[in-house]
Amino acid sequence: GAVVSQHPSWVICKSGTSVKIECRSLDFQATTMFWYRQFPKQSLMLMATSNEGSKATYEQGVEKDKFLINHASLTLSTLTVTSAHPEDSSFYICSAKAGAGNTIYFGEGSWLTVV
Amino acid sequence: KQEVTQIPAALSVPEGENLVLNCSFTDSAIYNLQWFRQDPGKGLTSLLLIQSSQREQTSGRLNASLDKSSGRSTLYIAASQPGDSATYLCAATNQAGTALIFGKGTTLSVSS
Repeated sequence: GAVVSQHPSWVICKSGTSVKIECRSLDFQATTMFWYRQFPKQSLMLMATSNEGSKATYEQGVEKDKFLINHASLTLSTLTVTSAHPEDSSFYICSAKAGAGNTIYFGEGSWLTVV
Repeated sequence: KQEVTQIPAALSVPEGENLVLNCSFTDSAIYNLQWFRQDPGKGLTSLLLIQSSQREQTSGRLNASLDKSSGRSTLYIAASQPGDSATYLCAATNQAGTALIFGKGTTLSVSS
């Protein structure tokens, strides 16, 4: 079946640095990818919707200059957390829509810890 | 804007009990509704997906129902087992291929 892979699974970075998380669709073309953030014991909150070849659409309250999303190909979207701070520590998870279909597949998620 | 609410937030039951998890949504014009399972520190496992035209879906000991008119969905787990312990998330989408909106989840603990 369709698989969405995220990398890295977990990352620790120093405060003030930037970190990139990749979301790849392994066996299908993903025209749309979604990025979510989940704080401990909270639900998944949609951060942005990413369409291949165009700018991402960010949800209200999400800083687009801090959370840079690039969807340069049909199989890869990246989320870069710039100038990371401890409060950015969270579980980030992506999902991808398979082409013309409506099924959405989720990645395994990435744990970010900013120290 | 769609909002999804799940109650209870946590539930503890002894092994073998049948149980119901509740999910409500504010906008009845949903496209589909999904139930997921999330183990601690892990990603999501899709359990059941109900299209807006459907009333229920079943998979093994799991049965999910959808009542659009009342804005509710339930996840029924029969003969619960300790391995069912996890957080169960309900999510709805209003249009085909758009982002899922999640509830806060119900954390289930099944004791042996």
